[in-house]
Amino acid sequence: DAKTTQPPSMDCAEGRAANLPCNHSTISGNEYVYWYRQIHSQGPQYIIHGLKNNETNEMASLIITEDRKSSTLILPHATLRDTAVYYCIVSVITGGFKTIFGAGTRLFVKA
Amino acid sequence: DTEVTQTPKHLVMGMTNKKSLKCEQHMGHRAMYWYKQKAKKPPELMFVYSYEKLSINESVPSRFSPECPNSSLLNLHLHALQPEDSALYLCASSQVSGVGGNEQFFGPGTRLTVL
Repeated sequence: DAKTTQPPSMDCAEGRAANLPCNHSTISGNEYVYWYRQIHSQGPQYIIHGLKNNETNEMASLIITEDRKSSTLILPHATLRDTAVYYCIVSVITGGFKTIFGAGTRLFVKA
Repeated sequence: DTEVTQTPKHLVMGMTNKKSLKCEQHMGHRAMYWYKQKAKKPPELMFVYSYEKLSINESVPSRFSPECPNSSLLNLHLHALQPEDSALYLCASSQVSGVGGNEQFFGPGTRLTVL
């Protein structure tokens, strides 16, 4: 079973920040939080990952709570092209990387 | 080159056919993955190869047979499939490392239809 919980869908106005929450209350100390997104009919695309500290790259920022039980992906200035399904994944390392996708959040960016 | 390629893009096969899906990457990644994705569902992990050896098989039926002939190639051999096996088959690759995390790079997928 997926170890993460996300809202099924969210709306965001174009140009505004999109904040996508994820709950991972059973995360272990050595497990990373990964975010991917999948635009319709394409393969998933890696966005960002983190362990404890907040992370930022050219695509997004990842805010992880101090107890690591939840995180938020922030797209600072959402565009129509950011409309996609966003998956929050906790990485389970078992001699190769067992990646379990949850249901994800379908983000609609509206003009 | 940060691309994972998959061929063919589309495949239609009968239940008695034998076909293969191919995946290739030249990023030096030593972990490669097969996922199956049904419409409006998240990807489901099928197999993981690490250093060309099968490390994870998620109880996939034997009509799906993976093969990793070298560090750049991953095949999925298909035989006697059922119509419910129709799906998007995704390949991915990543580094094999427990330090610093490992992002997976996905190919565009092969859309398989079993008649």
